[in-house]
Amino acid sequence: GQQLNQSPQSMFIQEGEDVSMNCTSSSIFNTWLWYKQDPGEGPVLLIALYKAGELTSNGRLTAQFGITRKDSFLNISASIPSDVGIYFCAGHTGNQFYFGTGTSLTVIP
Amino acid sequence: SQTIHQWPATLVQPVGSPLSLECTVEGTSNPNLYWYRQAAGRGLQLLFYSVGIGQISSEVPQNLSASRPQDRQFILSSKKLLLSDSGFYLCAWSVSQETQYFGPGTRLLVL
Repeated sequence: GQQLNQSPQSMFIQEGEDVSMNCTSSSIFNTWLWYKQDPGEGPVLLIALYKAGELTSNGRLTAQFGITRKDSFLNISASIPSDVGIYFCAGHTGNQFYFGTGTSLTVIP
Repeated sequence: SQTIHQWPATLVQPVGSPLSLECTVEGTSNPNLYWYRQAAGRGLQLLFYSVGIGQISSEVPQNLSASRPQDRQFILSSKKLLLSDSGFYLCAWSVSQETQYFGPGTRLLVL
């Protein structure tokens, strides 16, 4: 299946710092999605992007759909302890969604 | 609003026993339904997806099967569990194939 390269794999940051993570693919996607997963729970959708170049915010989160349709990034501003978790990107094409390997975020108070 | 349920939440089963995990969606019609397996908190592996009742596509040859007896019900089954079937199983739904929403998951431990 198609693979999404998500980086970084893990991040350890101080509370209040900004965070940036990204996903790249060798294939074009029609939709990019960003999820957050807490331990033992299902991923929760944070932001959905539907058009190339689209920039969307959800509170302290901002995500962009790359112009080439092969990449996307997620920024978190002014991180807080509850931002801890694993963040996944996903791209949609055809009938399927393809997922990145996740970025584990640790916020140090 | 739409909600998705999975049960059981946790399951411990002996090797060789059968399995049935259930997923139901409320508040939407004709959803696409998906089963994923997640190992070690990373790497979502698509197992099956369904675009309608009785229509199942399998992505990975394995010890599992899926069925969709009703529009908003998706079942994951096995006749004989293997140790390697342990993991976190996630059901998801989408409509218009643009956005996908996940259930709370089932943690399966095969001993």
